Amino acid sequence: DVKVTQSSRYLVKRTGEKVFLECVQDMDHENMFWYRQDPGLGLRLIYFSYDVKMKEKGDIPEGYSVSREKKERFSLILESASTNQTSMYLCASSLVSLASSYEQYFGPGTRLTVT
Amino acid sequence: AQSVTQPDIHITVSEGASLELRCNYSYGATPYLFWYVQSPGQGLQLLLKYFSGDTLVQGIKGFEAEFKRSQSSFNLRKPSVHWSDAAEYFCAVGATGTASKLTFGTGTRLQVTL
Repeated sequence: DVKVTQSSRYLVKRTGEKVFLECVQDMDHENMFWYRQDPGLGLRLIYFSYDVKMKEKGDIPEGYSVSREKKERFSLILESASTNQTSMYLCASSLVSLASSYEQYFGPGTRLTVT
Repeated sequence: AQSVTQPDIHITVSEGASLELRCNYSYGATPYLFWYVQSPGQGLQLLLKYFSGDTLVQGIKGFEAEFKRSQSSFNLRKPSVHWSDAAEYFCAVGATGTASKLTFGTGTRLQVTL
């Protein structure tokens, strides 16, 4: 079974703090994704990575950055947290193959509250 | 660009009743289609997927979905709902040339009454 783990289930940070969200997958997947989930908005893609050190912006990258130094690990960074970044953050991974690359496996999520 | 519409924000059904959750997509070619389920406080779990071939696909937990190209739909069905099916359901579409990205709908929350 593919396992995607996220470093924290719940996180409370103060406005202006630098926040790191970590994601690790154990199935040697090339693709990794960060989403945020808000009520009524579904999942929105923040960033994704298709290889080590490679990244592309998703639909809502403003205020976020990412790092992928190792294949299994993908980090989401909030350089200066703001209250409008309070949300559920979901990490996912997928294998690169013709169709399976679209089948994403999700971690349990990190609920971040910025006060 | 592709898009997904889930017109029902919230649905309530009685345990044992049948269920149909609607999903409409917008994409010019044959899409890759998915249904995911999210239990409270959890990540998303894949229920089923359509890539090609038979338009009626079977998934886990007794769910099925039918791809209808003429209606741009991929509705999720279950003949008899169990209380444990209460969750949020997301439809997603993947399109070729989009670097394996998925576009998700806004979700349908299912409540099951006993």
